[in-house]
Amino acid sequence: ETGVTQSPTHLIKTRGQQVTLRCSSQSGHNTVSWYQQALGQGPQFIFQYYREEENGRGNFPPRFSGLQFPNYSSELNVNALELDDSALYLCASSPPGWGATEAFFGQGTRLTVV
Amino acid sequence: QQQVKQSPQSLIVQKGGISIINCAYENTAFDYFPWYQQFPGKGPALLIAIRPDVSEKKEGRFTISFNKSAKQFSLHIMDSQPGDSATYFCAASQDTGNQFYFGTGTSLTVIP
Repeated sequence: ETGVTQSPTHLIKTRGQQVTLRCSSQSGHNTVSWYQQALGQGPQFIFQYYREEENGRGNFPPRFSGLQFPNYSSELNVNALELDDSALYLCASSPPGWGATEAFFGQGTRLTVV
Repeated sequence: QQQVKQSPQSLIVQKGGISIINCAYENTAFDYFPWYQQFPGKGPALLIAIRPDVSEKKEGRFTISFNKSAKQFSLHIMDSQPGDSATYFCAASQDTGNQFYFGTGTSLTVIP
């Protein structure tokens, strides 16, 4: 059983550019959530995808968007990058089932905006 | 507004000692309370979790104590080891399960 994998591990972008981060969910998991973790802070919820549909969104602007594919992998897209977008972006997958369930995180993508 | 408040921000414990991290929440709709351990450069790893129908859950050296009336829960690490040195996050979620609210983290250092 493979865990949650994210790519790339590190990325440097210029302010105003666009970025796409990728996540492969753990085998058997159909729900993927994305979190932003600023340095020294706890993760902040961006949004969640369930069966290819957005299933909840945190307090992030529309330039943060996502996709989930039929194999349950997911992408996070950020347009018009700002310096404050520099953070560790975490993907978490959860197994099927109603209600709060375990979420397993990937190792994250460290995004630096310069 | 911080939905889950965590303390202390940092903690230093001698090897073999007990580490205690506390969290408090306001939203009574929260139904699931996990603790995560994070090492530098890694994603958070699920350590232990509890639901409000029990007051305590123990897994090995890790215990969650839960006080529903006070809206508080805590993590106790017994016989703390240097390998436990990491950042610990408490979190909470409603039964819809679509968003975790994390505390601000506690940096634990266990001195040999």
